[in-house]
Amino acid sequence: AQTVTQSQPEMSVQEAETVTLSCTYDTSESDYYLFWYKQPPSRQMILVIRQEAYKQQNATENRFSVNFQKAAKSFSLKISDSQLGDAAMYFCAFTIQGAQKLVFGQGTRLTINP
Amino acid sequence: NAGVMQNPRHLVRRRGQEARLRCSPMKGHSHVYWYRQLPEEGLKFMVYLQKENIIDESGMPKERFSAEFPKEGPSILRIQQVVRGDSAAYFCASSKEAGGSYEQYFGPGTRLTVT
Repeated sequence: AQTVTQSQPEMSVQEAETVTLSCTYDTSESDYYLFWYKQPPSRQMILVIRQEAYKQQNATENRFSVNFQKAAKSFSLKISDSQLGDAAMYFCAFTIQGAQKLVFGQGTRLTINP
Repeated sequence: NAGVMQNPRHLVRRRGQEARLRCSPMKGHSHVYWYRQLPEEGLKFMVYLQKENIIDESGMPKERFSAEFPKEGPSILRIQQVVRGDSAAYFCASSKEAGGSYEQYFGPGTRLTVT
């Protein structure tokens, strides 16, 4: 069974600083996709960034980037120049090629200090 | 292009009543997924449907829960004889095609409270 683990229930960072959220996963599959979702207080799930396992290059979306370590089964999210609007729950998620369901981690609550 | 619509946004039911949650996927999307989020937890997959077919219901409780996605109209998640443990946020997502390469777009969720 696939599992996703986020070991940091809460993180905080000063505005404009950089923060890294951790995620590890477990699977025996070789072809899969990894995601980071943001859930602000509105509870709307918003896709932040996606990584295909077959790509060695780390995905980047503006201030958001990932460090994908396939051998270690690690998928961390780095947020640069943190902004107040980044405050939210962040969920790491995973799906294997050919499957449809997303498997989510427990989430990390990110607080931005002004 | 309207996003995934869910209604109601909030639903209060007494123990033993039925709850019906509706989800209209994005235009052009024929794949629908339901997830449940208990307080302070991540989302848990419940069921995946295509038009008129249940494809994967491996996350659905065996009793009291059912889902459908008819040819016309929204997808419905139905919970019969609700209990307090059913209190949660229920999210619907849709995608254009199946598979991890296609993004699942989420609705705003329905928060069910069982009193």
